[in-house]
Amino acid sequence: DAGVIQSPRHEVTEMGQEVTLRCKPISGHNSLFWYRQTMMRGLELLIYFNNNVPIDDSGMPEDRFSAKMPNASFSTLKIQPSEPRDSAVYFCASSPRTSGRVREQFFGPGTRLTVL
Amino acid sequence: DAKTTQPTSMDCAEGRAANLPCNHSTISGNEYVYWYRQIHSQGPQYIIHGLKNNETNEMASLIITEDRKSSTLILPHATLRDTAVYYCIVRVGSNTGKLIFGQGTTLQVKP
Repeated sequence: DAGVIQSPRHEVTEMGQEVTLRCKPISGHNSLFWYRQTMMRGLELLIYFNNNVPIDDSGMPEDRFSAKMPNASFSTLKIQPSEPRDSAVYFCASSPRTSGRVREQFFGPGTRLTVL
Repeated sequence: DAKTTQPTSMDCAEGRAANLPCNHSTISGNEYVYWYRQIHSQGPQYIIHGLKNNETNEMASLIITEDRKSSTLILPHATLRDTAVYYCIVRVGSNTGKLIFGQGTTLQVKP
């Protein structure tokens, strides 16, 4: 089975441009997470969805960031306008539906974003 | 969620057991201990989790002290491919699945 798929794998853009990162979770998983990783701040949770509904977006840095999950197989993270401090690796992860209380997260390979 | 404390870095000889400690002295009774690792340039990978009892799977063993204030992840026969950052996370078991990553321990396995 394919794991979590993210695109693009690398993105280089100029300050002020709109950036859209894409994620396809593992089929059948009902939770999706967006993380950002930088050297300074480590791995931070930005937002997560359960059953396509945003549950907690407290980690979203500011209004320039937005995330959507229009259906169970696709999510986007958009930055508009982008700034150099947004340069980071952005990871998407998904988690399966389970009747138990422990839910393992499966991470994608990440998108390395560079804003010049 | 309880805070965890891990050493910044550790070395281990290839073929030997790697024992990675984690302190979680403020853990609550309903909080689980999770371990993830991140190999360079890859996304984090789930390793193992536990609540009270020791756990073992094909990747590792997790030893949790009786008072649950600390735990140790054991890689029984470390290989060079186990070089990674290892994260210990304590979280309430729930349907949200939310994880908060700390700085982790960088494990360097040496030949």
